[in-house]
Amino acid sequence: DGGITQSPKYLFRKEGQNVTLSCEQNLNHDAMYWYRQDPGQGLRLIYYSQIVNDFQKGDIAEGYSVSREKKESFPLTVTSAQKNPTAFYLCASSIVAATTEAFFGQGTRLTVV
Amino acid sequence: AQSVTQPDIHITVSEGASLELRCNYSYGATPYLFWYVQSPGQGLQLLLKYFSGDTLVQGIKGFEAEFKRSQSSFNLRKPSVHWSDAAEYFCAVASGYSTLTFGKGTMLLVSP
Repeated sequence: DGGITQSPKYLFRKEGQNVTLSCEQNLNHDAMYWYRQDPGQGLRLIYYSQIVNDFQKGDIAEGYSVSREKKESFPLTVTSAQKNPTAFYLCASSIVAATTEAFFGQGTRLTVV
Repeated sequence: AQSVTQPDIHITVSEGASLELRCNYSYGATPYLFWYVQSPGQGLQLLLKYFSGDTLVQGIKGFEAEFKRSQSSFNLRKPSVHWSDAAEYFCAVASGYSTLTFGKGTMLLVSP
């Protein structure tokens, strides 16, 4: 089945450690996105990529980094510079741009203790 | 910049009653509008979308939404709510090659 796979579903890390969240898609989509979700805040865009080896900052990129070496993969690293990293992280993809339908993964809940 | 407002944080509806979730957007040109649904701890699923044409769009699970340009609104409706509809609903807008901008969501509670 085609879709987006995020792993792991739950992730625990100690404060000060970097952590990488995985996102893989087999939909042959060009565009991929990372959102952060906090209660009552909706979804806020962290980074997006519209083509391999290129990506742009979203609204809340500080403390995060990404790479897009393959079309299928768009991993997100939460660095120790992110002041409040505990959140639910959602990865999405779309054919070209967000004006086409975006498909979402099941999310990763990151808890930093 | 585009923005989306969902004025209701929570809504409680009795099972079998009708539902309307409000969404207002801010954007100069014709936007692309979406409604997504999210069950707890899950990703988002697209309910319906509006790009152009007929302003009343039908979606999955019996939902529909009406685009009203004069009111900058894209309200989601369902004639009869089922307990399984309890979830959080997000309205979103995009334009041209921009990314999606989401509202803060409306949590739907269904009472027996």
